[in-house]
Amino acid sequence: DAMVIQNPRYQVTQFGKPVTLSCSQTLNHNVMYWYQQKSSQAPKLLFHYYDKDFNNEADTPDNFQSRRPNTSFCFLDIRSPGLGDAAMYLCATRERSVGRSYNEQFFGPGTRLTVL
Amino acid sequence: AQSVSQHNHHVILSEAASLELGCNYSYGGTVNLFWYVQYPGQHLQLLLKYFSGDPLVKGIKGFEAEFIKSKFSFNLRKPSVQWSDTAEYFCAVNPMYSGGGADGLTFGKGTHLIIQP
Repeated sequence: DAMVIQNPRYQVTQFGKPVTLSCSQTLNHNVMYWYQQKSSQAPKLLFHYYDKDFNNEADTPDNFQSRRPNTSFCFLDIRSPGLGDAAMYLCATRERSVGRSYNEQFFGPGTRLTVL
Repeated sequence: AQSVSQHNHHVILSEAASLELGCNYSYGGTVNLFWYVQYPGQHLQLLLKYFSGDPLVKGIKGFEAEFIKSKFSFNLRKPSVQWSDTAEYFCAVNPMYSGGGADGLTFGKGTHLIIQP
């Protein structure tokens, strides 16, 4: 089945130690998103790629970076994780549509990041 | 910036009870509206969406939602819930800025629904 895959499902890192989360898709969608969801909070958009164009949300910390080497893969890099970065990180994809309609986003299962 | 409020964070119902989950958003312009569901241990899945037209939209698994523009609301309903509806439900908004749709969704905090057999 076509899907959005996130690896690993659980990631433990140490305070200040760089970590990379990965997302891949078989849907061939042109937009890929990263959301951060802290406990009991709403998923919050960090940034997205439309093809190779990177779009950062205004309040996303500089500590968070992303790479999209090709259509299928997108990475979230946290350069120096702090305790406050512990969260579920969700990857989503969407085929951007022309005009008024907004195609749905398809979500991966998420990676739960623990910072020790 | 837009925001989404879900009034009920935890809801417990018995099977066959009727369900209504509230959702209000703060953006004054044209919006696309969504309800997503997350079953235990699974990823977010789309339940239903509204873009335009009939304000009463029907989704999967017997769910429906009504868009009331004057109230900035998009409440989710189901006439008779089942034990398998136990899940987290998220309302989300995508604002239609001038010149085209913006990317990304603004989510509410979610409602944890528990259905007791």
